[in-house]
Amino acid sequence: QVQLQESGPRLVKPSQTLSLTCTVSGGSISSGTYYWTWIRQPAGKGLEWIGRINTSGNTNYNPSLKSRVTLSVDTSKNQFSLKLNSVTAADTAMYYCARDRGEWDLLYYFFYGLDVWGQGTTVTVSS
Amino acid sequence: EIVMTQSPATLSVSPGERATLSCRASQSVSSSLAWYQQKPGQAPRLLIYGASTRATGIPARFSGSGSGTDFILTISSLQSEDFAVYYCQQYKDWPPYTFGQGTKLEIK
Repeated sequence: QVQLQESGPRLVKPSQTLSLTCTVSGGSISSGTYYWTWIRQPAGKGLEWIGRINTSGNTNYNPSLKSRVTLSVDTSKNQFSLKLNSVTAADTAMYYCARDRGEWDLLYYFFYGLDVWGQGTTVTVSS
Repeated sequence: EIVMTQSPATLSVSPGERATLSCRASQSVSSSLAWYQQKPGQAPRLLIYGASTRATGIPARFSGSGSGTDFILTISSLQSEDFAVYYCQQYKDWPPYTFGQGTKLEIK
């Protein structure tokens, strides 16, 4: 059974770069046709989709964050990563990694849900 | 960006009763809608995709319906473990996937 685990600094200073890694265990990150996703949730608030990447390096980003976000994948380590630069207090949140299960049929993506989630890691932006 | 609106914000229901949660999209999302359950201190859990298809391992008491702009999540007979926050998510027009603000289902 695939499991995800987020890791990275819990405290980041304003204007610096937030860096998180998600480690996939119980299976290969390269098996199947999944996208690997980041989502965040400010305390007491709703969910915000940040972006996703597959093992071919294809990415999709939330337009509201696109200028500050970079996703990458390291298949040799079974990991994928998030970098968010120029952070402010508004970036303080619980950050989750998740698996996006779906498949492409020509130009249409059949989505079957964000079916596996990490437990999340809280990141605070503060000086 | 499609805006998802859930109602009510909080729903109080007694165990054993039926709960009906609503989700409305700002424009049609066809059947491209998923539901998630989130308990305190936990990550969300996928319940439903395709508006009405239960995810693996989800009990039959959870059902989804609707298409276009209006969707319903029904929990037929509430169990103690069902009290949580529920989110809907559209994936018709992306990026980004967008979520509703959540409905908190509490014990009456």
